[in-house]
Amino acid sequence: SQTIHQWPATLVQPVGSPLSLECTVEGTSNPNLYWYRQAAGRGLQLLFYSVGIGQISSEVPQNLSASRPQDRQFILSSKKLLLSDSGFYLCASRTEMDSPLHFGNGTRLTVT
Amino acid sequence: KQEVTQIPAALSVPEGENLVLNCSFTDSAIYNLQWFRQDPGKGLTSLLLIQSSQREQTSGRLNASLDKSSGRSTLYIAASQPGDSATYLCASNTGKLIFGQGTTLQVKP
Repeated sequence: SQTIHQWPATLVQPVGSPLSLECTVEGTSNPNLYWYRQAAGRGLQLLFYSVGIGQISSEVPQNLSASRPQDRQFILSSKKLLLSDSGFYLCASRTEMDSPLHFGNGTRLTVT
Repeated sequence: KQEVTQIPAALSVPEGENLVLNCSFTDSAIYNLQWFRQDPGKGLTSLLLIQSSQREQTSGRLNASLDKSSGRSTLYIAASQPGDSATYLCASNTGKLIFGQGTTLQVKP
């Protein structure tokens, strides 16, 4: 079965600083990869998804970006963080369109 | 645009009760529907996935049903335990997964 690794688990960053969150997947190849954000008191918001290396689709216009440099690596980045970027960031993976979605343990980001 | 709604938002029950969590969705053209559990500060753990051609799935004390025509799914938890306390989310899959807001369950000893 798939295992999704995310790091770091928690992160405190000042406004205007850069961001890089990494997600790696074990136990599958050519997965569909997803970045979600869960803000306090709100549901999960899909930020980006990728169906292959170098293929990124953005769901929400914002100052975040995503990249997929390798088959099982998905990176979420920002050049300058905003206060509103605070939240719980979750990476998810599935093998096919109709297969179960599996999540990592998430990164709690606080922008101060 | 798919919308997913979960009712109730919060639920508190005594240990041992059977309970039902509800999930409704507006677009019935789904591949499947998936139920998750989320403990505070943690990621989501997949509980059950029901394909669009299925009516229900069971895992231990959990049973999930799907009625595509009415746009509804339920998660039935039998003989609830304090360890079941968590937030339960459903997600409809139309190619993209759209999540409900979740139901926060508290099972009191």
